[in-house]
Amino acid sequence: AQRVTQPEKLLSVFKGAPVELKCNYSYSGSPELFWYVQYSRQRLQLLLRHISRESIKGFTADLNKGETSFHLKKPFAQEEDSAMYYCALLGFVFGPGTRLSVLP
Amino acid sequence: DTGVSQDPRHKITKRGQNVTFRCDPISEHNRLYWYRQTLGQGPEFLTYFQNEAQLEKSRLLSDRFSAERPKGSFSTLEIQRTEQGDSAMYLCASSLYERTEAFFGQGTRLTVV
Repeated sequence: AQRVTQPEKLLSVFKGAPVELKCNYSYSGSPELFWYVQYSRQRLQLLLRHISRESIKGFTADLNKGETSFHLKKPFAQEEDSAMYYCALLGFVFGPGTRLSVLP
Repeated sequence: DTGVSQDPRHKITKRGQNVTFRCDPISEHNRLYWYRQTLGQGPEFLTYFQNEAQLEKSRLLSDRFSAERPKGSFSTLEIQRTEQGDSAMYLCASSLYERTEAFFGQGTRLTVV
């Protein structure tokens, strides 16, 4: 079965603090993982995908096949990072999401 | 705007009525997905198409729900005999191939009264 879990519904951090949004997946085949973001009143959009190995807006994520995880990290959170973050397997199987709130 | 578009943006209907939503994907995209999203939840997968073929349907998709994608272009999602529990945001997304980025529409918000 294909499944994505995100254990935290809400994560609040202060501006400048490090952020880690957790994502775990279950999939029997070769996984491909994505992070999507939804800012207030905007449509869902891609943030990054593991295959690209890039940093977008200071965010990075590493696929750990042994732990079946794809955690999203940023060393210094900004207020504009406040949004809903969704981890997605194969590009279309979504987790329940984590709301990130960055406090001033 | 060459992105994914959905119509209508909002729909209010009485319980028991049928409703139909339309999604126009990005033109060269082969895959088209339908999701349902309720407040505070992630997108729940309903079904997807590869060109005109409907390849997978979620168990969430009861017999009252049907989707089509004639000629592999636009898609429609119909809900028959709507119930209050059907009230949600219905999202459409498209992607070029499997395992590629999904581009989302703005969604259709359905309210069943």
